[in-house]
Amino acid sequence: AQSVSQHNHHVILSEAASLELGCNYSYGGTVNLFWYVQYPGQHLQLLLKYFSGDPLVKGIKGFEAEFIKSKFSFNLRKPSVQWSDTAEYFCAVVSYNTDKLIFGTGTRLQVFP
Amino acid sequence: EAGVTQFPSHSVIEKGQTVTLRCDPISGHDNLYWYRRVMGKEIKFLLHFVKESKQDESGMPNNRFLAERTGGTYSTLKVQPAELEDSGVYFCASSQEGGVSYNEQFFGPGTRLTVL
Repeated sequence: AQSVSQHNHHVILSEAASLELGCNYSYGGTVNLFWYVQYPGQHLQLLLKYFSGDPLVKGIKGFEAEFIKSKFSFNLRKPSVQWSDTAEYFCAVVSYNTDKLIFGTGTRLQVFP
Repeated sequence: EAGVTQFPSHSVIEKGQTVTLRCDPISGHDNLYWYRRVMGKEIKFLLHFVKESKQDESGMPNNRFLAERTGGTYSTLKVQPAELEDSGVYFCASSQEGGVSYNEQFFGPGTRLTVL
């Protein structure tokens, strides 16, 4: 069965620190990869996605993620976080033969000014 | 354009009672999905409608859960009778024709269900 692992459950950073959230998936076939974010009191929203092509994907608000097929990883990065990045971040995968998102357990990020 | 809406936002019921959750997708979205997040765990897929048909209900936990999408517009998810382990946040999402492999899923705010 497909699964997604997010190893960081809770991350605390100061503003301007760099961020990297890990995501690994278990599926040997072709996948689409996503990072979703849920800001406090708001809906889940798409941060970025990888379908094909350049493995370095840029998303909204200065976030990027790199797909490394050999490592089954899709880590999320941001060079300098802001207080407004405080949120919960979810990595997800979809395989071509299904339409359902498989989520990781989420990473809660707290950024202090 | 209105987003995905869900009603109610919170529901507190006793074990054995019935609860019905409603989801209104974005207008024109053929695909509708239900997901659930039990506290501290991952968001898990429950089922997927294409218009009024159930495309995939492999994530439905048991026969106490009944989902409908009459007319291919809004959807309801009924839990009858509710058990303690049904507590969690129920999310609805919708996407355009073609499914998530080609189109983004847009999520609603979720319904927080607490079973006492």
